[in-house]
Amino acid sequence: AQSVTQLDSQVPVFEEAPVELRCNYSSSVSVYLFWYVQYPNQGLQLLLKYLSGSTLVKGINGFEAEFNKSQTSFHLRKPSVHISDTAEYFCAVIPVWFGNEKLTFGTGTRLTIIP
Amino acid sequence: DSGVTQTPKHLITATGQRVTLRCSPRSGDLSVYWYQQSLDQGLQFLIQYYNGEERAKGNILERFSAQQFPDLHSELNLSSLELGDSALYFCASRNKTEIGSEAFFGQGTRLTVV
Repeated sequence: AQSVTQLDSQVPVFEEAPVELRCNYSSSVSVYLFWYVQYPNQGLQLLLKYLSGSTLVKGINGFEAEFNKSQTSFHLRKPSVHISDTAEYFCAVIPVWFGNEKLTFGTGTRLTIIP
Repeated sequence: DSGVTQTPKHLITATGQRVTLRCSPRSGDLSVYWYQQSLDQGLQFLIQYYNGEERAKGNILERFSAQQFPDLHSELNLSSLELGDSALYFCASRNKTEIGSEAFFGQGTRLTVV
């Protein structure tokens, strides 16, 4: 079974400051990792994903994430946030094993940008 | 637009009633997931179907059931509704044959039980 932990339920950040949203996962098998964003009153949309290769992946809207296998982490970062980044961010994993498709999400981190 | 369509967008119903939520996946996606999102529980996985067959089950109550039809659309049935069932219900679809493919989410159905 897989589990995803997002320790920070809320993160307030000043506009133009950097931000890091933390994600740790637990799995007995290899996983693919995803970050999704949910803007107010909308569905989830993909920010970025890690499948293999370079551990630093870049996504939309200037976000990037780094996969760390030894620490089982996949933290999301942005060097300078904007008001429009106010949203809820979800980390998710899915097993690489073809027979298991369960997509497991963390509890989410609400990012609030302070003008 | 994710390509995943959920209807209705909003639903208000009384306790004890039964409702059906509908999801049309992206063209060609055989996998459909259902999630419940509430303020106190976050995003909870309910159930997943692949090409008409149930593949994974999460924290789905016995009062809830789902199915995926031959045309690949899916329905989530919620019965004997309670106030606590008020939540946003999301459907997502995924192309399992594409390695590392992500799930695409619909806009959700907001269910309010009064």
